[in-house]
Amino acid sequence: EPEVTQTPSHQVTQMGQEVILRCVPISNHLYFYWYRQILGQKVEFLVSFYNNEISEKSEIFDDQFSVERPDGSNFTLKIRSTKLEDSAMYFCASSGGGPSRNTIYFGEGSWLTVV
Amino acid sequence: AQSVTQLDSQVPVFEEAPVELRCNYSSSVSVYLFWYVQYPNQGLQLLLKYLSGSTLVKGINGFEAEFNKSQTSFHLRKPSVHISDTAEYFCAVSDYGGATNKLIFGTGTLLAVQP
Repeated sequence: EPEVTQTPSHQVTQMGQEVILRCVPISNHLYFYWYRQILGQKVEFLVSFYNNEISEKSEIFDDQFSVERPDGSNFTLKIRSTKLEDSAMYFCASSGGGPSRNTIYFGEGSWLTVV
Repeated sequence: AQSVTQLDSQVPVFEEAPVELRCNYSSSVSVYLFWYVQYPNQGLQLLLKYLSGSTLVKGINGFEAEFNKSQTSFHLRKPSVHISDTAEYFCAVSDYGGATNKLIFGTGTLLAVQP
């Protein structure tokens, strides 16, 4: 069964450093997403990406965040200057086109710890 | 704005007993509904979904859920649970026909199956 893959599975970084989280969505999917889950809290939507541009972003997704699909297979989330409160599990997700776009598949997540 | 309420943060149950995990939603438009499961130290796995048609939907691992529009509920049920069902279960909703089909999640219910 095709799956969304994410790297790294866990990253520890110092406050103020830049972090890039990588994702390979399911092949042939057209919609891409990032969600995050702070420990003990609900899963929150960050951003959706379609046709090489952001289609929607949440209030959490401020100027320190950016997304990119650099080569047609990878989908990355960059956090420019990490803060302690960015510590969370970050989930990449994807969905297909047409009616399939409503069924979203998630990756295993990338744990980010900011110290 | 949409919201999802999972009133039970934790549901303890004995193995082979039936279980129901409750989910209520609030939305001014028609919705799609989902249940995701998160096993310890793993990502989010789609358990089942309601997009249209029959209000009783069946998912993986013997789970089912019933969409009740009048009560704005989408409760998850299983007639006989196993130890391996111990996990966090998340109910989620997205807009019917929304531009980005982003998911709004509930806070999750920890299903703790005891021998």
